[in-house]
Amino acid sequence: QVQLQQWGAGLVKPSETLSLTCAVYGGPFNVFYWTWIRQSPGKGLEWIGEIHHSGTTTYNPSLKSRVTISLDTSKNQVSLKLRSVTAADTAVYYCARGWSFYHYYMDSWGTGTTVTVSS
Amino acid sequence: EVAMTQSPATLAVSPGERAALSCRASQNVSSNLAWYQQKPGQAPNLLIYGASTRATGVPARFSGSGSGTEFTLTISSLQSEDFALYYCQQYNNWPPITFGQGTRLEIK
Repeated sequence: QVQLQQWGAGLVKPSETLSLTCAVYGGPFNVFYWTWIRQSPGKGLEWIGEIHHSGTTTYNPSLKSRVTISLDTSKNQVSLKLRSVTAADTAVYYCARGWSFYHYYMDSWGTGTTVTVSS
Repeated sequence: EVAMTQSPATLAVSPGERAALSCRASQNVSSNLAWYQQKPGQAPNLLIYGASTRATGVPARFSGSGSGTEFTLTISSLQSEDFALYYCQQYNNWPPITFGQGTRLEIK
């Protein structure tokens, strides 16, 4: 059974870059849409973006100018970088596995990383 | 962007009773809709995809229905472990993938 283990800094200063990594264990890596989603009390669940095993990415237009999602296929890892963060970026960040392009639901999730943006 | 609206925001139901949660899309999403359950401190867990197909391991008391813009998640006989937050998500028109704001199912 696939497991998604994620880690990264829990406290980030305003204007700096949020960085998170998600490792995939126990399942195929190169057929799914690896996804980042965040959850904050004010905005509920917000889709940040995804990367396909081919390396192609799609981002939420609301975050596109600040987001980079990348793959390390040698380690079965996916990374998220969110630049120029503000307090509004404070949230629990999840990595998740998206099933396919036409059936893009998330069938496996990481445990979540709480990120606080504060000086 | 497809806006997803869930109702009610909170639903109080007695154990053993039936619960019906609604989700409405701002435009036609066909049957490209999923439902998730989230318990405190945990990630969401996939319950239903394709509007009506139960995910692996999901009990038969959970059922999904609807297509187009109106969807319902029904829990036929509520168990104690079913009291949680529920979210719908559309994947017909993306980016972006969009979620409803959630329905909290409480014990009455």
